[in-house]
Amino acid sequence: GDSVTQMEGPVTLSEEAFLTINCTYTATGYPSLFWYVQYPGEGLQLLLKATKADDKGSNKGFEATYRKETTSFHLEKGSVQVSDSAVYFCALSPYSGGGADGLTFGKGTHLIIQP
Amino acid sequence: DTGVSQNPRHKITKRGQNVTFRCDPISEHNRLYWYRQTLGQGPEFLTYFQNEAQLEKSRLLSDRFSAERPKGSFSTLEIQRTEQGDSAMYLCASSSGKGAGEQYFGPGTRLTVT
Repeated sequence: GDSVTQMEGPVTLSEEAFLTINCTYTATGYPSLFWYVQYPGEGLQLLLKATKADDKGSNKGFEATYRKETTSFHLEKGSVQVSDSAVYFCALSPYSGGGADGLTFGKGTHLIIQP
Repeated sequence: DTGVSQNPRHKITKRGQNVTFRCDPISEHNRLYWYRQTLGQGPEFLTYFQNEAQLEKSRLLSDRFSAERPKGSFSTLEIQRTEQGDSAMYLCASSSGKGAGEQYFGPGTRLTVT
C-alpha cells in the first residue's frame, strides 16, 4: 500500500537557519503530494501542494518540489523564524486531482526554532 | 468560509460507554473524511463520504466504529462500547474534490476513555 516516510525529529535550528525536512513516498499511479503544519494547540493546516512531477509548491517562504525519479517531496525554507516552530506532516493522495480517497500521512517532524 | 468545525472538542468517557462526535464541513464541500490521530503519529484515514454516500469504510478500526452523513451536510462518528485504546484525537476534513484534492481539517475531538 501507499506510505510516506519523514525524517524523525525533533529538529532544532537557530533562527535564520536553512531548513530541510525530508519526505519520501511509495505509491502506485500518480499521487498528489502535500505538506501540512500543526502549530501548538491548533488543527492541521495545509501548507503547500503539488500534483505532478517537477511541480513546485510554495507558501509562506516554504517550498517543496515533486520529484518522481526519487519519489521525494522535501520541504525547504531559506530562513526560519521562531514562529515556524510546529509539527510538519508530509502526505499523499492516491488520485491526482481527485481526492477520492483518504490521505496517507507520515509520522510528522517536530521543528523547534531557537531565537 | 467558516472552516470545518467539530464538536465536542474534548470528551471524557468511561470504558464501555458509547460516544458520538459531530463534524460540520465547509459548506460548499461535498466530500468529508474522518481520521484518527494518536500521540506522535500522523492522522490515520478511517472513512470517507461523497455527499451522503459512504464510499470507503473498510478502514474503520472495528465494527464498533460507524459514521453517517444523512443529508450530505454534517457527519457523525460513533464509537460503541469504548475501550481505553480508543483514546485519541478524531479529526474531520472536507474537500471540494477539485484541484489537487486538498483536504481542510477541523480542530479535532480529543477522546479520553477512562
